[in-house]
Amino acid sequence: DQQVKQNSPSLSVQEGRISILNCDYTNSMFDYFLWYKKYPAEGPTFLISISSIKDKNEDGRFTVFLNKSAKHLSLHIVPSQPGDSAVYFCAPAHSDKLIFGTGTRLQVFP
Amino acid sequence: DVKVTQSSRYLVKRTGEKVFLECVQDMDHENMFWYRQDPGLGLRLIYFSYDVKMKEKGDIPEGYSVSREKKERFSLILESASTNQTSMYLCASSLSLGRSNQPQHFGDGTRLSIL
Repeated sequence: DQQVKQNSPSLSVQEGRISILNCDYTNSMFDYFLWYKKYPAEGPTFLISISSIKDKNEDGRFTVFLNKSAKHLSLHIVPSQPGDSAVYFCAPAHSDKLIFGTGTRLQVFP
Repeated sequence: DVKVTQSSRYLVKRTGEKVFLECVQDMDHENMFWYRQDPGLGLRLIYFSYDVKMKEKGDIPEGYSVSREKKERFSLILESASTNQTSMYLCASSLSLGRSNQPQHFGDGTRLSIL
């Protein structure tokens, strides 16, 4: 019973182009959706979030889109930079608990 | 800046041993969490705590217990370590219950190997 799915285990993007990471969920009770970024040998760090009452939130190069009817969210990074190479987890939240997806490994090459 | 510190980066233990993983946070957060991360499975919640001496089971509590005697410290205990508990363990903390937009802050993890 996987509530949160990130169907692309990996993504490779050229520097300067857009990276799009996708996440699907099943539980309509989630009230916030967070994205975390994880480098090897470090803990995940919070990147950006969106409330369930919004459909878009932007912070610099990062934008998160939420489609509640489709139970789908996506993270756009533009322009992508080599330092963005990491594993990205979507993590829907309800009552302070996060449910993490399986992660997408993004590689940004020059 | 929030600091979550896990006592060991790497740990090697033997099957059957009792193992303690320690976590300390310095931001007076009410909530603390223990996860394990395994390839292809993401982060899975083992236990969490909303307050001192309070604990709640997460999704995979079997074989684990926790202790929260002080607000800043949350310990994960493997009662009798087994090889299937070899994993990366991550501790996190966040502000209080009901504020789901408050992000959890993570430590750097403990890579535990059970031989």
